[in-house]
Amino acid sequence: DAEITQSPRHKITETGRQVTLACHQTWNHNNMFWYRQDLGHGLRLIHYSYGVQDTNKGEVSDGYSVSRSNTEDLPLTLESAASSQTSVYFCASSGRSRTDTQYFGPGTRLTVL
Amino acid sequence: ILNVEQSPQSLHVQEGDSTNFTCSFPSSNFYALHWYRWETAKSPEALFVMTLNGDEKKKGRISATLNTKEGYSYLYIKGSQPEDSATYLCAFLNSGAGSYQLTFGKGTKLSVIP
Repeated sequence: DAEITQSPRHKITETGRQVTLACHQTWNHNNMFWYRQDLGHGLRLIHYSYGVQDTNKGEVSDGYSVSRSNTEDLPLTLESAASSQTSVYFCASSGRSRTDTQYFGPGTRLTVL
Repeated sequence: ILNVEQSPQSLHVQEGDSTNFTCSFPSSNFYALHWYRWETAKSPEALFVMTLNGDEKKKGRISATLNTKEGYSYLYIKGSQPEDSATYLCAFLNSGAGSYQLTFGKGTKLSVIP
């Protein structure tokens, strides 16, 4: 069965460190998204990609970057982790139709000390 | 930034009660409205995608209606069961060219008391 996975599921790091969160989907979806979930804010879009070599900034992109070298993967990098980036991160993907639902990964809980 | 509001923020109902909650979104530039169900410690799962004014969707005891002219959608749960306890999210897709980005509301957290 097709799926979307994230790794690691939990990570603790220190401020200033570079951190990369992995997202891998086997749906063969063109569209991939990264969100963060914080109390009182719901899901907020960090970055998104509509295909290989395409990346775009979302609502809360400062301090984050993504790259899309193939269809299956969209890694999220925190260039220099800050305590404000402690959050739960969700990756999602969707198909070509604009009414396709987004399928979410299981989430990565990141703590920045 | 688009404004998508959900109310109430949380509610508790007794098992067997029916309930409903609201999602408000911009009435202009509408393309689609998504509803998701999000159980604690899991990831959001899609319930419905609604695109037309007057749309009604149903899945088991859960149904949703859509009014794009006034910018709201209702989600109804008939005869709530403990397994319905979850956060229900709505997400708005605007009609901007080529956009697939969803703007999520903060959710309504439903607790069903046995």
